[in-house]
Amino acid sequence: DGGITQSPKYLFRKEGQNVTLSCEQNLNHDAMYWYRQDPGQGLRLIYYSQIVNDFQKGDIAEGYSVSREKKESFPLTVTSAQKNPTAFYLCASSTRRPGQQYFGPGTRLTVT
Amino acid sequence: GIQVEQSPPDLILQEGANSTLRCNFSDSVNNLQWFHQNPWGQLINLFYIPSGTKQNGRLSATTVATERYSLLYISSSQTTDSGVYFCAVSGGTSYDKVIFGPGTSLSVIP
Repeated sequence: DGGITQSPKYLFRKEGQNVTLSCEQNLNHDAMYWYRQDPGQGLRLIYYSQIVNDFQKGDIAEGYSVSREKKESFPLTVTSAQKNPTAFYLCASSTRRPGQQYFGPGTRLTVT
Repeated sequence: GIQVEQSPPDLILQEGANSTLRCNFSDSVNNLQWFHQNPWGQLINLFYIPSGTKQNGRLSATTVATERYSLLYISSSQTTDSGVYFCAVSGGTSYDKVIFGPGTSLSVIP
């Protein structure tokens, strides 16, 4: 089955720890995206990548880092520098220039 | 960068009623999508519609790119239509960057 997987679904961490969220797609899409959603709010763009080994900052990149070593994978690291990391994180992929986006099920991160 | 507005922010409908959701954007676009987010957080792509009109069952969408707006029509609403509807665009000077509007929260009551 083609699609986007994110793991884990729920993640709990202590303040001060870095945490990496996984995003994998088998849709053969070039472009991948990470968004953050806070309760009752819209989606805000963290990072995006149009091609392997290249990525750009979105609107709220501070405190986050990404890598794009493989076409299928776009992991997001939430660092200890992120002041309010508790949120719902969504990953998406699309064809380049961008076409229709497909979203994963999301990861709910809680940091205490 | 490109700005996206959606209206209304909240909408309550009786089951069977029709509704129109609006998305305004501040610059020319090369991509416009409508999504539905269900109560579990999953985002479903309803339409990829940078211009023109499309229909899918009870839903249809129209984008008038020259006037910088898009409309999503929901006819004969059902309780399963409840959730948040988002418009997402890319364009202007950042044609790779897909930005979401604030959403319209729809509640359909029996």
